[in-house]
Amino acid sequence: GQNIDQPTEMTATEGAIVQINCTYQTSGFNGLFWYQQHAGEAPTFLSYNVLDGLEEKGRFSSFLSRSKGYSYLLLKELQMKDSASYLCAVKDSNYQLIWGAGTKLIIKP
Amino acid sequence: IAGITQAPTSQILAAGRRMTLRCTQDMRHNAMYWYRQDLGLGLRLIHYSNTAGTTGKGEVPDGYSVSRANTDDFPLTLASAVPSQTSVYFCASSDGDSYNEQFFGPGTRLTVL
Repeated sequence: GQNIDQPTEMTATEGAIVQINCTYQTSGFNGLFWYQQHAGEAPTFLSYNVLDGLEEKGRFSSFLSRSKGYSYLLLKELQMKDSASYLCAVKDSNYQLIWGAGTKLIIKP
Repeated sequence: IAGITQAPTSQILAAGRRMTLRCTQDMRHNAMYWYRQDLGLGLRLIHYSNTAGTTGKGEVPDGYSVSRANTDDFPLTLASAVPSQTSVYFCASSDGDSYNEQFFGPGTRLTVL
């Protein structure tokens, strides 16, 4: 079966750095996406990785290792507005997104 | 403003009733999707459409049907609602290429009693 694993909840301090991990086992791989979802709102796109390595976009970076079935999202200089759920999703061989359950990130002052 | 709209925002429905959730996008995206999101679970694909006139089944299609008569609209129908269909429903669209992200509507919160 297909599976995406990520921690259920993480806590970090304002101004700090946090890394959210995602491991996956899917039938085929056509890219990995990270989305942010604030409570009661729709998911919004953060990043896309299809090749191994690090993609940097401002305070957010995403890393992919296809051989290990592993990705992480790195958030720097945390702000209170970063409190949200972070969803990892993999596009499988049918080009459909398989979603993890999400990691709820709590930022404390 | 370009984007995706969904209606209604929320709905309480008696079991056994028929209900259609509406979704409209104005970005001229080829592909559209319906997901449900339940606490502790990832988004699960119900149905999708790669282009107008075609539809496909996702991971959890039972009890739901869709149609795609044109590019912009992708309604989701519950023929006879059951309590297990209580969920938040998101419609999404994309250009359809593998590297393109999906854009999500604001969601419909449905409660079936």
